[in-house]
Amino acid sequence: AQSVAQPEDQVNVAEGNPLTVKCTYSVSGNPYLFWYVQYPNRGLQFLLKYITGDNLVKGSYGFEAEFNKSQTSFHLKKPSALVSDSALYFCAVRPNTGFQKLVFGTGTRLLVSP
Amino acid sequence: GAVVSQHPSRVICKSGTSVKIECRSLDFQATTMFWYRQFPKQSLMLMATSNEGSKATYEQGVEKDKFLINHASLTLSTLTVTSAHPEDSSFYICSCLRDGTNTEAFFGQGTRLTVV
Repeated sequence: AQSVAQPEDQVNVAEGNPLTVKCTYSVSGNPYLFWYVQYPNRGLQFLLKYITGDNLVKGSYGFEAEFNKSQTSFHLKKPSALVSDSALYFCAVRPNTGFQKLVFGTGTRLLVSP
Repeated sequence: GAVVSQHPSRVICKSGTSVKIECRSLDFQATTMFWYRQFPKQSLMLMATSNEGSKATYEQGVEKDKFLINHASLTLSTLTVTSAHPEDSSFYICSCLRDGTNTEAFFGQGTRLTVV
């Protein structure tokens, strides 16, 4: 069965500094990997996904993530954080064969201070 | 494109009543939709997978008679919480899988249900 681990409940970073939100996964076969962001009392907004191809994936709002197969990781990164990036971030995974449900991590709260 | 509308965004109901939540894909067709429940400061828990024209597939531990799902068209799925109790209070989120892909899933804005 697939699983996702987001080891940090919260990440604090100063505005303008780079940020990293960690994600590791476990899945049978090759994965589809996703990052979503959630603002208070809102649904999830898609940020980016890894399906195949380049390990570095660029997404919305300046975010990017690097797929590392050997470390089974898909960390979310941004070179320069904004206060408006403060939100809850979810990593999700599913196998790339057939149709299977997404499994979400527990979420990481990102707090960007001015 | 790829907009999912979920309605209502907030609802308060009395114990024992039923509440219907709608999930619509506005600009694409979605044979498959998903219903999630999210507890405070927790991740999303998949409740059921809804397929147009067929019965929903419920996850283990989710009562199908309590959480009725109807996926009557390629753009609309509904979740009805029947005989609601305070413990049903939660944030419910739908997701639509765009037809023709198996990776393009888009989420509604969520419904905050409070049962008093």
